[in-house]
Amino acid sequence: KNEVEQSPQNLTAQEGEFITINCSYSVGISALHWLQQHPGGGIVSLFMLSSGKKKHGRLIATINIQEKHSSLHITASHPRDSAVYICAVMGVSQGGSEKLVFGKGTKLTVNP
Amino acid sequence: DGGITQSPKYLFRKEGQNVTLSCEQNLNHDAMYWYRQDPGQGLRLIYYSQIVNDFQKGDIAEGYSVSREKKESFPLTVTSAQKNPTAFYLCASSGPYYEQYFGPGTRLTVT
Repeated sequence: KNEVEQSPQNLTAQEGEFITINCSYSVGISALHWLQQHPGGGIVSLFMLSSGKKKHGRLIATINIQEKHSSLHITASHPRDSAVYICAVMGVSQGGSEKLVFGKGTKLTVNP
Repeated sequence: DGGITQSPKYLFRKEGQNVTLSCEQNLNHDAMYWYRQDPGQGLRLIYYSQIVNDFQKGDIAEGYSVSREKKESFPLTVTSAQKNPTAFYLCASSGPYYEQYFGPGTRLTVT
């Protein structure tokens, strides 16, 4: 079982719809990242959070530490939001240093 | 502008040849990472370095080698021992508060 599980794997929406992507993890973490990967391959960090909620424009990220769950919401979705969204958690490796563990990503397609 | 550069964007090699992927950052970050991405899988950690002249194996280090002689540079060599080297390779760095920055990636094809 993956330490980081994302759902859904694929998501198709119509422009304007409210989008939710979920992330569950099974390890203790110090922080959780939401990343965006466009078709060209480059990755951009959207949020880093360790508690509560963060908002940036039309994007909102929440985390519930007790339930080991995070959600990424996109309000008023637009075709330019089409990308792969990746959840990654910062945990402690066996050597004692912190490292990221990644989910497999959610591919979002927003149709006009 | 501060950021991470990787070169080249696309790289083609014959089987049996070693190849080195470049990664440079001007963010003054101590920590740097190399990840591999395959279709349908999450990113997997190859090697990481927390400080100059020190690096650690990640989850899939076999067939790879790295060096960290300068803070700005963390090149990855894909050796002929790597059984399945065709993949997308991403370099990243992290700041003092664990914020993550990624390079644009190098797509390596070995035939």
